[in-house]
Amino acid sequence: KNEVEQSPQNLTAQEGEFITINCSYSVGISALHWLQQHPGGGIVSLFMLSSGKKKHGRLIATINIQEKHSSLHITASHPRDSAVYICAVKSFGNEKLTFGTGTRLTIIP
Amino acid sequence: NAGVTQTPKFRVLKTGQSMTLLCAQDMNHEYMYWYRQDPGMGLRLIHYSVGEGTTAKGEVPDGYNVSRLKKQNFLLGLESAAPSQTSVYFCASSQGRLKSSYEQYFGPGTRLTVT
Repeated sequence: KNEVEQSPQNLTAQEGEFITINCSYSVGISALHWLQQHPGGGIVSLFMLSSGKKKHGRLIATINIQEKHSSLHITASHPRDSAVYICAVKSFGNEKLTFGTGTRLTIIP
Repeated sequence: NAGVTQTPKFRVLKTGQSMTLLCAQDMNHEYMYWYRQDPGMGLRLIHYSVGEGTTAKGEVPDGYNVSRLKKQNFLLGLESAAPSQTSVYFCASSQGRLKSSYEQYFGPGTRLTVT
């Protein structure tokens, strides 16, 4: 079974700071999913990637398959970015995702 | 497109009662999933379906049953609720193997309390 670890568990930063959230996994994967969960509970898909880098607005996700590691970056962070960010991995030949426990991000104005 | 919807949003049950949670998606997705989310734990898969008429067990299936009679709907049943089933339940869907896309789209969640 793939073990997914996220760091840090909690992160508090000032508005405008550059944010990095990390995700490591133990077994080779076919894809990695970054999700955002706002207070109030809804879960939104941010990215799904299997190699390289993807960018959407101020969000950038990178993955290093050899090192079994992915990072989610937020540039020019804003209080509305405050949420829990969840990493999930899809193993080869498996329809299911394995989820990390999430990183709680708080951006202070 | 409504995306993925869940009914109800909140429910309080007494121990031993039964209920069904309904998930519906209008994206013509093949795969559907039911998860539970508990404090301090990642999302855990209860059951999933890779197509109409098919279901499979996930990581924590005990105490739950599911059915997928129509492609757009995935029902989660609790036959005899227990306090350990107090949780937030999320449904999700993805296009699946036919389109080689496993990006999952989530419903808004159902908060269930069993007393």
